[in-house]
Amino acid sequence: AQRVTQPEKLLSVFKGAPVELKCNYSYSGSPELFWYVQYSRQRLQLLLRHISRESIKGFTADLNKGETSFHLKKPFAQEEDSAMYYCALSGNYGGSQGNLIFGKGTKLSVKP
Amino acid sequence: KAGVTQTPRYLIKTRGQQVTLSCSPISGHRSVSWYQQTPGQGLQFLFEYFSETQRNKGNFPGRFSGRQFSNSRSEMNVSTLELGDSALYLCASSLSSGAQYFGPGTRLLVL
Repeated sequence: AQRVTQPEKLLSVFKGAPVELKCNYSYSGSPELFWYVQYSRQRLQLLLRHISRESIKGFTADLNKGETSFHLKKPFAQEEDSAMYYCALSGNYGGSQGNLIFGKGTKLSVKP
Repeated sequence: KAGVTQTPRYLIKTRGQQVTLSCSPISGHRSVSWYQQTPGQGLQFLFEYFSETQRNKGNFPGRFSGRQFSNSRSEMNVSTLELGDSALYLCASSLSSGAQYFGPGTRLLVL
């Protein structure tokens, strides 16, 4: 079964501390992984995707197929990073990849 | 480019009624997907439309249906509303597959 697991509901860190949001997935095939972020009162936004290998707002994520993980990392957290973060997997269903399977989300709180 | 828009933003209905939600994708995007977001279940995939055809469907009852028009705009319909249908309904568009861009959602409350 295709599944995305985010083990932490809430992650609280101090400003300037490193942060790692965990994401593990279950998928029989070659997955496409994403991180989405939802700031307070804003819509869900794409943060990054594994095939781009970009760093957005200082965040990076590496796909580890051996550990089936796609953890999101940032070396120095900022207060404006406080938000809800969702890991998502693009499922190949019926030949299309039009559905995203989301984890339950991790609420990141960065304290001053 | 303008982002994904959804109308209405808020709706209050009573049990047994039906509701239609609308989504306008980003210009040029031909794929539109719908999701239901609730505190208990999180974000769950409803269905996806591409070029006016349903290409993919999640595990929801037949009361949930949708369609897509030739201009890629999409509607979803929920018939015989139940209390448990109260949720935020999100629409997302993409070029064909892969990264999806979300609208602000329609918050539906069923009384």
